[in-house]
Amino acid sequence: AQSVTQPDIHITVSEGASLELRCNYSYGATPYLFWYVQSPGQGLQLLLKYFSGDTLVQGIKGFEAEFKRSQSSFNLRKPSVHWSDAAEYFCAVGAHSNDYKLSFGAGTTVTVRA
Amino acid sequence: DAMVIQNPRYQVTQFGKPVTLSCSQTLNHNVMYWYQQKSSQAPKLLFHYYDKDFNNEADTPDNFQSRRPNTSFCFLDIRSPGLGDAAMYLCATSRDIGTGAMNTEAFFGQGTRLTVV
Repeated sequence: AQSVTQPDIHITVSEGASLELRCNYSYGATPYLFWYVQSPGQGLQLLLKYFSGDTLVQGIKGFEAEFKRSQSSFNLRKPSVHWSDAAEYFCAVGAHSNDYKLSFGAGTTVTVRA
Repeated sequence: DAMVIQNPRYQVTQFGKPVTLSCSQTLNHNVMYWYQQKSSQAPKLLFHYYDKDFNNEADTPDNFQSRRPNTSFCFLDIRSPGLGDAAMYLCATSRDIGTGAMNTEAFFGQGTRLTVV
């Protein structure tokens, strides 16, 4: 079965600084990979997804993520963080072995300081 | 133009009193999912419907049931809520399941925060 690890529980970053959130997955083949963002008390909003092709994917709100097969990683990045980016971020994986139902990582909480 | 709508956003229920959470979708998707998300944890899939076919995850307690009377609506019934069932419940949809990338992308509602008193 596939699994997802987000090593960082909480990250604090200054407004305007760059942000990188780590995601590692465990699966024998290439899964489908997603990043979602959740603001307090809200549902999940899709930031970006990787299915195949170009390993650098662009998403909404200025986010991008890079799939690295050799490292089984799909890290999320943003060059310059805004205060509105404070939220919880979830990496998720869908795999053929599980009918592509999503398995989520434990999430990373991002705090943005002024 | 919300596509996956959950009602209510906040629900308070008494210990042991049955409660129903509602989800509707305007996407005409075949698949509807219910996830449970406890505080500071990842969402956990409870079950999903593919059209009218109900699919329970192996570790979903019997206390949780679901109904899907038509394509647009899906309900989560908690027969006897316990304190441990307090959580955010997320509904999601996808066009299909198990048939490849674009068809299995999930769209989430805003969630219902359930409090058990």
